[in-house]
Order: sequence, then C-alpha cells, then structure tokens
Amino acid sequence: AQTVTQSQPEMSVQEAETVTLSCTYDTSENNYYLFWYKQPPSRQMILVIRQEAYKQQNATENRFSVNFQKAAKSFSLKISDSQLGDTAMYFCAFVLAYNQGGKLIFGQGTELSVKP
Amino acid sequence: DAGVIQSPRHEVTEMGQEVTLRCKPISGHNSLFWYRQTMMRGLELLIYFNNNVPIDDSGMPEDRFSAKMPNASFSTLKIQPSEPRDSAVYFCASSLTYRSTDTQYFGPGTRLTVL
Repeated sequence: AQTVTQSQPEMSVQEAETVTLSCTYDTSENNYYLFWYKQPPSRQMILVIRQEAYKQQNATENRFSVNFQKAAKSFSLKISDSQLGDTAMYFCAFVLAYNQGGKLIFGQGTELSVKP
Repeated sequence: DAGVIQSPRHEVTEMGQEVTLRCKPISGHNSLFWYRQTMMRGLELLIYFNNNVPIDDSGMPEDRFSAKMPNASFSTLKIQPSEPRDSAVYFCASSLTYRSTDTQYFGPGTRLTVL
C-alpha cells in the first residue's frame, strides 16, 4: 500500500523568507505523480504544483518549487519570498500513474504560518 | 469557469437525521470524486464516478452512506441516519477523466456537524 508522510505538523516563516516543507512517500511502483495542495483558512483545496515521477527535472511554479528525490522517495516543497497569503495547510499527495482511478493519497498536512 | 460548486457550505443536524450534500462539477469534466476530511484520518477518498457511473466505492465507510450522480452536472452524497462521528468536511472534486494524469479540482467543501 502507498503511504505519504509529512513529518512537520506546523512550521512558521517570516515574510519574504524561504521555507521548505518535507514529504516522504512509500511505494513499490515506479510510475506515479506527486502533488502539493494548499488549503487556506477558506478550506478551498488549491493545487500548488505537480511532479511526474518519470521526469528528472524538478517542477517549478513561480515562487514554488519542489526537490524531487526519487531514490529517497522524498518530495519537498520550497516557497521562496514567502507572503502572508501563503499561510495555509499544505498537503502532499500521491497517485499511481496506472491506477484506474485518480485515487489521491494525502499526507496529514503541514500548517504553515507566515509572520509579518 | 465557476469551478466545482458544493452546497451547503455548512450543515448542522441532529443525530439520526438524513443529510444530503450536493456537488456540481466543472463543466466538461467526466470524473467526480467525494472526499472526507477529519482530524483523525486526514483526507480520504470515499467514492468516485466516471461518466456518471460509480467506479470505486471502497472508501464509503458504511451502508449509511450513499452517493449518486444522476447526470454529468450533479452529484449527491447522502448520510442516513447521521451520527456524530460523521462530523467532518466533505469535499467534492472533478477532473477531465478518471486517469491519474488529470488534475483534480476541489470544491470549497461542506462542513458537517452532527450533534
């Protein structure tokens, strides 16, 4: 069975600083996708970034980038130039590439607070 | 596009009552997913549909839960009878297809409180 682990329940960062959120996962499969979702206080789940396991290049989306280490089964999220609006719960998620359905498996989340 | 729409946003009910949660997926999306979020269990998939047909309901906790998708633009999740342990945030998500390559877009969720 696949599992996703986020070992940091809470983190805080000063505005304009950089922060890295950790995620590890466990699977015996070789083809899968990884995601980071953001859940602000409004509760809306928002896709931040996705990574295909077959791609060696780390995905980036503006201030958000990932460090994907396939051998280590690690998928961390780096937020540069943190903004107050980045305050949210962040979830790492995993899905098998050949799954008949997009059954996302989520980690427990990391609550990020950006302080002014 | 309006995104995934869920109603109601908040629901408070008493134990034993029937609860119906509603979801309108993004137009053109063929797959719909229902998730539940609790402090204890995190986010977990309850059921998903493809082209209005339930594909996997293995995550539905028990027979008190049922879900339907009568057409491409509407789905319901019903709990009957409701219990306090059903209190959670219920999310609906949709994607173009059920393939895992397609990103799932989430609605704002329904916070259910069962007293």
